[in-house]
Amino acid sequence: GENVEQHPSTLSVQEGDSAVIKCTYSDSASNYFPWYKQELGKGPQLIIDIRSNVGEKKDQRIAVTLNKTAKHFSLHITETQPEDSAVYFCAASKHNDMRFGAGTRLTVKP
Amino acid sequence: NAGVTQTPKFQVLKTGQSMTLQCAQDMNHNSMYWYRQDPGMGLRLIYYSASEGTTDKGEVPNGYNVSRLNKREFSLRLESAAPSQTSVYFCASTAPLRGDYEQYFGPGTRLTVT
Repeated sequence: GENVEQHPSTLSVQEGDSAVIKCTYSDSASNYFPWYKQELGKGPQLIIDIRSNVGEKKDQRIAVTLNKTAKHFSLHITETQPEDSAVYFCAASKHNDMRFGAGTRLTVKP
Repeated sequence: NAGVTQTPKFQVLKTGQSMTLQCAQDMNHNSMYWYRQDPGMGLRLIYYSASEGTTDKGEVPNGYNVSRLNKREFSLRLESAAPSQTSVYFCASTAPLRGDYEQYFGPGTRLTVT
């Protein structure tokens, strides 16, 4: 089955700096790659996603890149703010089977 | 719309007890999912239902059963709870037939088995 690895497990940045989280996947048939943000005590919420036919997608301060050949994808957050502090999960999916990375705890220090 | 709702929010069980976790969505989604979340392990798929009337095993189905009661509701049952099932359980739904692959998550049920 699909295996998703996510790095780093924790990340601390200064407000205004950029943050990058990386994921690799094993199943070349995976075709949908979402990123979720989870705040304490809440369910994960989608922040950006990318399909396998696209290499890059951007939404304001958030961007995702996908390298299908190398089977890795990354989340980039620019101009970080304290409210970006949360746990971020990547996932890789085909059909109804979505596999998640172990998560990255991002802390943005004011 | 309430989105995805889950009951209960918290539950403590003794080993061997049974319980059912309830999930409902009001977004007319076809597909529904149950995940468990453990520290350092992300979310793992327990069971899913691609459409009303169908259910399939996910990554970690042992010790669980599910019922897709109708299009709105998808329940998860623990027949004989074990301490290893202490976790936070999330229900999610999506509408792949409409081209919407985003999974919408409920607020979670925190289950402790002693």
